[in-house]
Amino acid sequence: GENVEQHPSTLSVQEGDSAVIKCTYSDSASNYFPWYKQELGKGPQLIIDIRSNVGEKKDQRIAVTLNKTAKHFSLHITETQPEDSAVYFCAAPLWDFGNEKLTFGTGTRLTIIP
Amino acid sequence: GAGVSQSPSNKVTEKGKDVELRCDPISGHTALYWYRQRLGQGLEFLIYFQGNSAPDKSGLPSDRFSAERTGESVSTLTIQRTEQRDSAMYRCASSLAGGTTAHLSTEAFFGQGTRLTVV
Repeated sequence: GENVEQHPSTLSVQEGDSAVIKCTYSDSASNYFPWYKQELGKGPQLIIDIRSNVGEKKDQRIAVTLNKTAKHFSLHITETQPEDSAVYFCAAPLWDFGNEKLTFGTGTRLTIIP
Repeated sequence: GAGVSQSPSNKVTEKGKDVELRCDPISGHTALYWYRQRLGQGLEFLIYFQGNSAPDKSGLPSDRFSAERTGESVSTLTIQRTEQRDSAMYRCASSLAGGTTAHLSTEAFFGQGTRLTVV
């Protein structure tokens, strides 16, 4: 069925290094790709999103890239800091009988090592 | 403005009792989602409401789980005859997204969740 796959499930990087998390989706009609960050004890919050009419979007140290042909998108965090440690979820809208359902990946636990 | 509101924030119940969890979405949001999140785990989809369409119940784990939504407003998730394995954080989210024409997805906003503990 239609789904969103996310890799890796856990990721540890040294402070200052870069982190990359990848997601693939199956519905070619998907046109919006958000990334959520969930800090300990809190609900997921949007950190960046990209629409299908662009290939890359940057916001300070975070960026998202999209390859519509291959149906995958990635989150890039540069110059990582301890406060980047969290669980990150990607999502994509999957169309089902004319309705759009935002479907989440399984999450990546990112740990920044001081 | 007000975000997604969930109540109660914490619920402790005895095994076998029924519980009702409430979600007040952001006004005007047509899409509403319920997820279950076990400690340290991802978001497990439960049910999805979109406007007046029939809800997508494909994620409900058993017939003890049900949910309702009144129009495009409040939703309640009911768990009957609770079991210890139902213990988890239950999260609600709403968005403007959906429909057959706009093809324009928007951000989903999450509530703070209801932590359910079945003892």
